[in-house]
Amino acid sequence: RKEVEQDPGPFNVPEGATVAFNCTYSNSASQSFFWYRQDCRKEPKLLMSVYSSGNEDGRFTAQLNRASQYISLLIRDSKLSDSATYLCVVKRTGGSYIPTFGRGTSLIVHP
Amino acid sequence: GAGVSQSPSNKVTEKGKDVELRCDPISGHTALYWYRQSLGQGLEFLIYFQGNSAPDKSGLPSDRFSAERTGGSVSTLTIQRTQQEDSAVYLCASSLALAGGSSYEQYFGPGTRLTVT
Repeated sequence: RKEVEQDPGPFNVPEGATVAFNCTYSNSASQSFFWYRQDCRKEPKLLMSVYSSGNEDGRFTAQLNRASQYISLLIRDSKLSDSATYLCVVKRTGGSYIPTFGRGTSLIVHP
Repeated sequence: GAGVSQSPSNKVTEKGKDVELRCDPISGHTALYWYRQSLGQGLEFLIYFQGNSAPDKSGLPSDRFSAERTGGSVSTLTIQRTQQEDSAVYLCASSLALAGGSSYEQYFGPGTRLTVT
């Protein structure tokens, strides 16, 4: 089983839709979680960190489920500009500082 | 402030030649990472620096790949005797890093697109 897994998609949704992605991780010692966004032929950029209690940033909501070992990203009122690949990032506590990236979920928002 | 910068932005080289890729991290960021990304693929970890030392080189795909960092700042990734399978975008990222497991987000540079012909 891969350390971090994501459904590659693509998720094809109309403008205004609500869409959610999940990301599962295999190492229960994982402590830090992030969502990054990567536009086509661009570098990844931090979208938001994921906190234990869940957190919201405008139309974006991130949640962590430690029992089932997954994190989620919910996007409300999708915009055309939300079209991108969303990367899940997981880091274990202590030891190596290397985060593990998922391969990403592709989102296409159409008019 | 200035972000992570990388040079060159594009590099085309002939098979068998050596190339050097440069990364200039955000000032004050002690951690520096190199990744590569092939077309349509995820990020492949190559190497990580904490200060000038590289505690984890496990991701380097072969002994043709090496990296160094001097002065806790600029890093250079060198690929010797390039092969066509080395063609990819090479991304550098930096972050704050503290002992004890605290983790900060990474900031990526724009990447160097390497094409080996």
